[in-house]
Amino acid sequence: GENVEQHPSTLSVQEGDSAVIKCTYSDSASNYFPWYKQELGKRPQLIIDIRSNVGEKKDQRIAVTLNKTAKHFSLHITETQPEDSAVYFCAASMSGTASKLTFGTGTRLQVTL
Amino acid sequence: ETGVTQSPTHLIKTRGQQVTLRCSSQSGHNTVSWYQQALGQGPQFIFQYYREEENGRGNFPPRFSGLQFPNYSSELNVNALELDDSALYLCASSLGLAVNTGELFFGEGSRLTVL
Repeated sequence: GENVEQHPSTLSVQEGDSAVIKCTYSDSASNYFPWYKQELGKRPQLIIDIRSNVGEKKDQRIAVTLNKTAKHFSLHITETQPEDSAVYFCAASMSGTASKLTFGTGTRLQVTL
Repeated sequence: ETGVTQSPTHLIKTRGQQVTLRCSSQSGHNTVSWYQQALGQGPQFIFQYYREEENGRGNFPPRFSGLQFPNYSSELNVNALELDDSALYLCASSLGLAVNTGELFFGEGSRLTVL
């Protein structure tokens, strides 16, 4: 089955700096890659996603890049703010198994003042 | 708010007992998935239901079972509880089978503690 690895497990940045979280996946048939933000005690919330026919997608301060050949994708957050502090999960979906997401182990992002 | 509600929010059970967790999907969403999230880990896919039929299952034993009802509400049942079943159980709804058709909406989860 699909396996998603995520790094780093923790990341501390100063307010205003950029943060980058990286994920690799194993199944070349995966074609959908969402990123979720989960605040303490809250539900995971989709922040951005990318499909396999696109190499990069941006939404204000958040961007995601996908390298299908290398089977890795990354989340980029620019101009970080304290409210960006949370756990971020990458995920991948396997072809033909809709809604069956394989999640990474998460990255705890701490934005310090 | 995602419109996905789960109950109960917290519960405590002992080993060997059975538990039923409930989920009310967002209006119009005909697909529901259940995930198990152990402390400090990412959610793990348990199974998915589409139009009341199981449509995909993760690496979980048969003592994890589910139901989806015509009104798209659903249940997760776990028999013969084990200590390792302690986790946050997340329900997620979406429209249609293909995740590519839209976002997956998670509920707040049911936190199960097995003693």
